[in-house]
Amino acid sequence: GAVVSQHPSRVICKSGTSVKIECRSLDFQATTMFWYRQFPKKSLMLMATSNEGSKATYEQGVEKDKFLINHASLTLSTLTVTSAHPEDSSFYICSARGRGKGADTQYFGPGTRLTVL
Amino acid sequence: GNSVTQMEGPVTLSEEAFLTINCTYTATGYPSLFWYVQYPGEGLQLLLKATKADDKGSNKGFEATYRKETTSFHLEKGSVQVSDSAVYFCALSGTSYGKLTFGQGTILTVHP
Repeated sequence: GAVVSQHPSRVICKSGTSVKIECRSLDFQATTMFWYRQFPKKSLMLMATSNEGSKATYEQGVEKDKFLINHASLTLSTLTVTSAHPEDSSFYICSARGRGKGADTQYFGPGTRLTVL
Repeated sequence: GNSVTQMEGPVTLSEEAFLTINCTYTATGYPSLFWYVQYPGEGLQLLLKATKADDKGSNKGFEATYRKETTSFHLEKGSVQVSDSAVYFCALSGTSYGKLTFGQGTILTVHP
């Protein structure tokens, strides 16, 4: 149980284009989803927290107009990197948290490697 | 604010050696504590957790005990395998929507 998927696993795009990454909770309802960014050999940096049906809460320094987050249902959240640039190249990881017993635990997706040329 | 400090890596061990990765934390209230493992090119997998003082989390031979008096949650395994080579993250969850605060991660390499 508690499986989270991400799609795509890898994406290469040209500078200036937009890229959408999907995060799905496969076997539980995710009341909260989190988006992280991870640089090589570094820990995870929380970008934003989203609750189903409401606007995402962004961490300080994260541009909300550049990283659009939508959490339209209890099993799906999307991160759209708009007008991507090479400095946006990174490993993006989502996580999801359910409700009730075990709601203190985040379950992570496998990550999406974004390369912007 | 909350913070997590892990021992500096990388850690290199021979197969069947004993493993300890230290983790200490600073937090208000009564956080839950976690160890996550990340294999190369993958996301994080929950390894074990503990939700209150003196709880012991265990999984796949790994153990960690929630020590409130020393604010620690050290990860141990009695006999490591080559397949345990990965990055290990200690984390705590406060009360704000379950946000996690991560340590910096410890790279473990196990040689045959």
